Amino acid sequence: DIQMTQSPASLSASLEEIVTITCKASQGIDDYLSWYQQKPGKSPQLLIYDATSLADGVPSRFSGSRSGTQYSLKISRPQVDDSGIYYCLQSYSTWTFGGGTKLELK
Amino acid sequence: EVQLVESGGGLVQPGRSMKLSCAASGFTFNNYDMAWVCQAPKKGLEWVATISYDGSSTYYRDSVKGRFTISRDNAKSTLYLQMDSLRSEDTATYYCARFEGITYYFDYWGQGVMVTVSS
Repeated sequence: DIQMTQSPASLSASLEEIVTITCKASQGIDDYLSWYQQKPGKSPQLLIYDATSLADGVPSRFSGSRSGTQYSLKISRPQVDDSGIYYCLQSYSTWTFGGGTKLELK
Repeated sequence: EVQLVESGGGLVQPGRSMKLSCAASGFTFNNYDMAWVCQAPKKGLEWVATISYDGSSTYYRDSVKGRFTISRDNAKSTLYLQMDSLRSEDTATYYCARFEGITYYFDYWGQGVMVTVSS
């Protein structure tokens, strides 16, 4: 089974920072990688698919990238509304989520 | 507008069964593969099961193989999850989700339904 190691588990950032969340796959996954945001008591929402493609309606301050088997989600100049938990998902071989990153904006 | 509405959750005793439903609307249901994803209280997301658009193929995570059955009724635009021999560790919110794209990501999710396994 493919493992997805997501980091950090939590972070606190200011509105002026660039926030970066990473997921490292235990093997190559050929960009079968998506990112989701989940707010308390709500279902997850798609942000990024195919590692770098922005989902419909998602602000352009969100972006995705890859370096080897490490995938990153970047939020440039985050807004207060971006607080929540972020998950990566590999869909190359069955489906595995990363452990999640709780983002708090101060 | 795409909508996925789960139902059928609640409190159930260990060893008993429960069947979840997910009513789909706003899209051509029989064109899409579907899945169930769960989330234990205060925990992360876990994929549970997948079914192809026509029901001919199904996939399960190891911990539910032989106990859970995913199925669909395309005439009713409804997805199901039959859960047998329930364990306390199955306690979670269960989401149905729609697959999209060649890389099989989830583009739409239901609001979730809570299943509590406890005596």
